[in-house]
Amino acid sequence: GENVEQHPSTLSVQEGDSAVIKCTYSDSASNYFPWYKQELGKGPQLIIDIRSNVGEKKDQRIAVTLNKTAKHFSLHITETQPEDSAVYFCAALTGGSYIPTFGRGTSLIVHP
Amino acid sequence: DTAVSQTPKYLVTQMGNDKSIKCEQNLGHDTMYWYKQDSKKFLKIMFSYNNKELIINETVPNRFSPKSPDKAHLNLHINSLELGDSAVYFCASGGGTDTEAFFGQGTRLTVV
Repeated sequence: GENVEQHPSTLSVQEGDSAVIKCTYSDSASNYFPWYKQELGKGPQLIIDIRSNVGEKKDQRIAVTLNKTAKHFSLHITETQPEDSAVYFCAALTGGSYIPTFGRGTSLIVHP
Repeated sequence: DTAVSQTPKYLVTQMGNDKSIKCEQNLGHDTMYWYKQDSKKFLKIMFSYNNKELIINETVPNRFSPKSPDKAHLNLHINSLELGDSAVYFCASGGGTDTEAFFGQGTRLTVV
């Protein structure tokens, strides 16, 4: 089955800095890669996703890159703000599957 | 309108009791899931239910059972609760293969 590794487990940055979270996956048949943000006391919510036919996608301060050859994808947050503090999860879905495999999460702390 | 709603939000119960968590989605999705999130924030898939096909994570004890009265509902029943069952349980729904999952707000279960 698919295996998703996520690093780092904790990331502490100053407000205004950039934050990068990296994930690797094992199944070359995976073709959909969502990123979720989980705020305290809430369920994970999708913030951005990318499909295997795209190398990069951007939405305001967040961007995701995908390297299919190396089987890794990354989340980039620029100009971080305190409200970006949360746990972030990457996930991967294999083509034809409806069960995402999640990484173990990254706790992002943005210090004002 | 809440897309995926689960009740109760908090549940405190004694060891040995039987309890249920309800979940409803109004997104018209065919797929629903139950996830368990432990204290380290790891999201573990417990069950997925798609068009009456139930896929069970083999590591889930058979004290846990999902019940789907219709496509919009997937309830979780837990028998003979144990201390180790304490966690946050998330219900989610999805539109099909290779698409995002929408999560409920979670149910924090505490077994004492």
